Amino acid sequence: KQEVTQIPAALSVPEGENLVLNCSFTDSAIYNLQWFRQDPGKGLTSLLLIQSSQREQTSGRLNASLDKSSGRSTLYIAASQPGDSATYLCAVSLGAGSYQLTFGKGTKLSVIP
Amino acid sequence: SQTIHQWPATLVQPVGSPLSLECTVEGTSNPNLYWYRQAAGRGLQLLFYSVGIGQISSEVPQNLSASRPQDRQFILSSKKLLLSDSGFYLCASSRVPYNEQFFGPGTRLTVL
Repeated sequence: KQEVTQIPAALSVPEGENLVLNCSFTDSAIYNLQWFRQDPGKGLTSLLLIQSSQREQTSGRLNASLDKSSGRSTLYIAASQPGDSATYLCAVSLGAGSYQLTFGKGTKLSVIP
Repeated sequence: SQTIHQWPATLVQPVGSPLSLECTVEGTSNPNLYWYRQAAGRGLQLLFYSVGIGQISSEVPQNLSASRPQDRQFILSSKKLLLSDSGFYLCASSRVPYNEQFFGPGTRLTVL
């Protein structure tokens, strides 16, 4: 059974700092990996999708990497801003028809002005 | 890109009452559809998924059920709610081959 772990559970950084969020998964036979952002009381916003054949994806100040063999992904946020404060969730899909996602419990990020 | 609509946004129901949550999708056709529940401190749990009209798969045993009467409509139901059904219910949609999942705004359900 696939398990996804995110470390740390919470992170507080001063504005402007670069930061890295970590995600690990137990079954390396994934179809893809997705990073999401969730604001309090809201739904999930997709940030980046990495297919199993890719090593990284970039969107603006965000960069996500994938090392499938070691079961790890990182989300790099450059020049953090208070508006980046949210919970960040990592999820992996094993494909095989349903493409259902298995989620980590998230990292709650606070960016202090 | 896909847009997911969910209603109601919030719902307070007594134990034993019925439930119907609706999800509709715009901007795509033949999507895979999903119902997730997010309980405090427990992360997101997949409840049901559907790869086509009338095709429903359940991931956990429970007193909830799902139906897909139209291609872009997904309904979550219960005949009798339990206290443990309280939570934040999220609908999601994806399409082959990339299967990036997009989520709706969610429904906050409180069972009293």
